Amino acid sequence: SQTIHQWPATLVQPVGSPLSLECTVEGTSNPNLYWYRQAAGRGLQLLFYSVGIGQISSEVPQNLSASRPQDRQFILSSKKLLLSDSGFYLCAWQSPGAHQETQYFGPGTRLLVL
Amino acid sequence: AQSVTQLGSHVSVSEGALVLLRCNYSSSVPPYLFWYVQYPNQGLQLLLKYTTGATLVKGINGFEAEFKKSETSFHLTKPSAHMSDAAEYFCAVRSYGNKLVFGAGTILRVKS
Repeated sequence: SQTIHQWPATLVQPVGSPLSLECTVEGTSNPNLYWYRQAAGRGLQLLFYSVGIGQISSEVPQNLSASRPQDRQFILSSKKLLLSDSGFYLCAWQSPGAHQETQYFGPGTRLLVL
Repeated sequence: AQSVTQLGSHVSVSEGALVLLRCNYSSSVPPYLFWYVQYPNQGLQLLLKYTTGATLVKGINGFEAEFKKSETSFHLTKPSAHMSDAAEYFCAVRSYGNKLVFGAGTILRVKS
């Protein structure tokens, strides 16, 4: 069966520090991968998605970047964190191809920027 | 463009009462619709989904939803609320490129 992992679970970082959040998926090949940010009362905002190694699409201009160095690894990064980067970050995977519409979510990373 | 509106950011019901969480969507293509549940500090778990076929969809934990094209709605119901149903619920619609567009969420509170 497929599983998705995120780490760390919780992170407290000072403003201006770098960030690296990791997401890995097991039990599937060539998944579509997604990074979302969840802010209180605002639902989920899609940040990045990837359909393959090295292929990243950005949904909104921001202080963050994403990379996919391996088939089942998706990394969210920042060179200098802002206060507004605080939130709950969720990674999701989806089987590739048509009619594979369901996204499955990881446990999330709570980021607090102080 | 696809969009989702969830009516009521907070819903409160008594244990044993009917749960009704409202979702209206806008889609330029035949919609695929989803309900997810999120417990505090956890990821989202799929409750149910509608793609094609039967418009009444049954999901996990006794929840069901009915797709009504004429009303552009996909409301989530459960006949009898349980304390363990307290969580945040998200409605979503498939967008182009296999992406999902989510509503703002509805927090369900269950009173004993």
